[in-house]
Amino acid sequence: AQRVTQPEKLLSVFKGAPVELKCNYSYSGSPELFWYVQYSRQRLQLLLRHISRESIKGFTADLNKGETSFHLKKPFAQEEDSAMYYCALRKSGGYNKLIFGAGTRLAVHP
Amino acid sequence: DTEVTQTPKHLVMGMTNKKSLKCEQHMGHRAMYWYKQKAKKPPELMFVYSYEKLSINESVPSRFSPECPNSSLLNLHLHALQPEDSALYLCASSLGLDLGEQYFGPGTRLTVT
Repeated sequence: AQRVTQPEKLLSVFKGAPVELKCNYSYSGSPELFWYVQYSRQRLQLLLRHISRESIKGFTADLNKGETSFHLKKPFAQEEDSAMYYCALRKSGGYNKLIFGAGTRLAVHP
Repeated sequence: DTEVTQTPKHLVMGMTNKKSLKCEQHMGHRAMYWYKQKAKKPPELMFVYSYEKLSINESVPSRFSPECPNSSLLNLHLHALQPEDSALYLCASSLGLDLGEQYFGPGTRLTVT
């Protein structure tokens, strides 16, 4: 069965500290992995996708097929990064169905 | 226009009421989605439409009835809901099935009394 696991419900760091939000997945095929972010009182929006291999707002994520992980990283957290982060998997040939992890709330303190 | 809009923002309804949620996009996307999001939980897919035809129904109870009258509009008709159906209902759209990222609307906060 397809599953996305985000082990941390809450990650609390100080401004300027490195951040790593963990995401592990279970899928037998070739998945597409995404990170979505939901800032307070704003809509859910795409942050990163693994096929792009880009850096957005200083965040990067690398797909590690051996460890079935897609951790989100940022070297220096900012207060405006505080939000809910969801890792999501899209099944190949799967009608664009996204399977979301439970989410991790990132709180960046001054 | 690069947004998905949803109306109303908030809705309170009784268990015997009939109401509808509306979603609209003008990005030329041909796939549209309904999700349900309970508090502190991730979104869960309910329905997927592609080219105005229902492609996926994730075993949603019949008290939820989707409708796609045209390529820009997606409705969710509600009837005889239960209090446990109270949630944030999200609409999303994408260029096509298996094509492009999903753009989400702000959601409708539904409370069933």
